[in-house]
Amino acid sequence: QKEVEQNSGPLSVPEGAIASLNCTYSDRGSQSFFWYRQYSGKSPELIMFIYSNGDKEDGRFTAQLNKASQYVSLLIRDSQPSDSATYLCAVKGTGNQFYFGTGTSLTVIP
Amino acid sequence: NAGVTQTPKFRILKIGQSMTLQCTQDMNHNYMYWYRQDPGMGLKLIYYSVGAGITDKGEVPNGYNVSRSTTEDFPLRLELAAPSQTSVYFCASQGAWWGDTQYFGPGTRLTVL
Repeated sequence: QKEVEQNSGPLSVPEGAIASLNCTYSDRGSQSFFWYRQYSGKSPELIMFIYSNGDKEDGRFTAQLNKASQYVSLLIRDSQPSDSATYLCAVKGTGNQFYFGTGTSLTVIP
Repeated sequence: NAGVTQTPKFRILKIGQSMTLQCTQDMNHNYMYWYRQDPGMGLKLIYYSVGAGITDKGEVPNGYNVSRSTTEDFPLRLELAAPSQTSVYFCASQGAWWGDTQYFGPGTRLTVL
């Protein structure tokens, strides 16, 4: 069974700090990795995707992938109260199914 | 370009009733998915489709049925609703490229009493 694990949190950081969200996955054949943000009562929306080992930066967000360790992370720099949400890690294997973690709840304290 | 649309937004069913959740996408995506999300939990795949006429079971298919007669539409049918089916249901679609992400509809909040 393909598993994606995240620390459910809650994770609290002060405004302006760096929030670090982590995700591990079990399927070594996984090819692409996605971070979604989900506000309460809303649908998931894509923040970042990453395919290659290393870092990928987009504005205040940086995704990091280490396939050898089966680990993907999301860093949010200069965290804002509007970043308070649940962050879902999703992993896509060789097929077309996505496997989602249970999400990490982030609260940014003003 | 509306993306993925779902109807209804909210519904209350009595035990044993049936209903169809509608999902339509206008991005010409081949792949479509139905998930359920229980409070504080992640997304669990119910059914998915890789194209018109082709559907397959996901992780939690019992109590549900789907059909895919067109590229655009992927309705989810609940037969004999049970309280365990109280959840938020999300439909998603995805393009054919291996790196494509899934785009989600706004969700349907279903309560079975």
